[in-house]
Amino acid sequence: SYELTQPPSVSVSPGQTVSITCSGDKLGYKYVCWYQQKPGQSPVLVIYQDDKRPSGIPERFSGSNSGNTATLTISGTQAMDEADYYCQAWDSSVVFGGGTKLTVL
Amino acid sequence: QITLKESGPMLVEPTQTLTLTCTFSGFSLKTNGVAAAWIRRPPGKALEWLALIYWDDDKRYSPSLKSRLTITKATSKNQVVLTMTNMDPVDTATYYCAHKGVNGSGSQTYYFDYWGQGILVTVSS
Repeated sequence: SYELTQPPSVSVSPGQTVSITCSGDKLGYKYVCWYQQKPGQSPVLVIYQDDKRPSGIPERFSGSNSGNTATLTISGTQAMDEADYYCQAWDSSVVFGGGTKLTVL
Repeated sequence: QITLKESGPMLVEPTQTLTLTCTFSGFSLKTNGVAAAWIRRPPGKALEWLALIYWDDDKRYSPSLKSRLTITKATSKNQVVLTMTNMDPVDTATYYCAHKGVNGSGSQTYYFDYWGQGILVTVSS
């Protein structure tokens, strides 16, 4: 079955830029989206179709996807961005990555 | 505005069958391309996709759980139901219902844009 691999955790200082990767075989040929989930809340879609932002998502969130890796980048990271982030793609079925805990130090 | 809400038992005993209902508004499962899905998150673990049902009653299941899952829809009631058999403590999780729509040109999308609040289901005797 298809797998998506994310780093378990990343940390960033407020105001800095952080990137979270998501790796999978020939992932660049698939559409990738990203969800943000804060404790006690439901997931929120922050990037879809590799690099598009839903309405209401700040411009500091951006995405890219090429080769075997998709990347979520947060520019000017704020304390409110501290959360778990999940990538998701479609193979023969829906696949989620293992999630990355973002800590804003 | 699209909303979804999960309902069902919050406590089930091992070996029992879990039945969860997702009641939604703001969209119809009669619309081409639209689907509803079930996704769970065990405590301290990652999101896990369980099942998906399309407007045309096409159903997809997680390969690892397929033998235990059944997803159905009651279109007139705006509901989607998930049953999971032979529950085990490892199935303790928050279970979410989510919407998958179509884009402006009516083509398939590949993401879940609306989620319910989730329901925590604990499996314990």
